[in-house]
Amino acid sequence: DAKTTQPTSMDCAEGRAANLPCNHSTISGNEYVYWYRQIHSQGPQYIIHGLKNNETNEMASLIITEDRKSSTLILPHATLRDTAVYYCIVDLGSGNTGKLIFGQGTTLQVKP
Amino acid sequence: DTAVSQTPKYLVTQMGNDKSIKCEQNLGHDTMYWYKQDSKKFLKIMFSYNNKELIINETVPNRFSPKSPDKAHLNLHINSLELGDSAVYFCASSQALGYTFGSGTRLTVV
Repeated sequence: DAKTTQPTSMDCAEGRAANLPCNHSTISGNEYVYWYRQIHSQGPQYIIHGLKNNETNEMASLIITEDRKSSTLILPHATLRDTAVYYCIVDLGSGNTGKLIFGQGTTLQVKP
Repeated sequence: DTAVSQTPKYLVTQMGNDKSIKCEQNLGHDTMYWYKQDSKKFLKIMFSYNNKELIINETVPNRFSPKSPDKAHLNLHINSLELGDSAVYFCASSQALGYTFGSGTRLTVV
C-alpha cells in the first residue's frame, strides 16, 4: 500500500506555478521522498527527490516540512506539456532493495 | 540512446498463448524491475532483480516467470495468457537513488 496521500486532481493556469501537496505522515527517518510523473501512457519520469532538505533542479523544487510529514512539489512556470499524473512516493532507495510503490497520484491539468 | 528499452511496444495475442517481453538497460544499473499498470492506471510492482538474483516477487501468479540472463537484461515470460493479463507492463532499473523506466509494453489478450 502507498504510504502517501495526494489530492486526486488539480488545475493550474499556464505560466503560473503549480504546487502539488503530498502527505507522508508515517515516513521513517531513512526514507526518501520521490516525485515522478506519467504523461499519458508513457513510462514514469523521475522529477526530483529529497531526504530532509529542500531540493531544486531544472524541472522543479521540492519543499519538505521540518517534521518530514508532508512535502510540496513546485513547478515554477507550468506549461501545457506538464499536464500529467504526478506521483509522490516514499522509498528507501534501491540501495536498500527498496521498491517504488505508486499510489493514485495527482492528475494535474494545465490550462491555457 | 534509450536507457531502458522494452520490446515489443504493443502485443496482441489470444488467450492461452505464451509470450515474452524483453527489457534491456544500458545504464549499468544493478537492479531491474517489472511493473504492471492495469486499466485503473495503478502501477504495481511485480518483480525485482538485483545482479541477476530475484529480490522481490509480489504475489504474482506462477504463469509469470522473469528471467535475467545478465544484469542488463530482465525478460518477462507469461504462460497461458488470460484476459486479465491485459495491461501495460513497464520495465525499470535503478542504482542507488535513481529509478529509470522504460516506455512500456501494451499487452492485449483477446
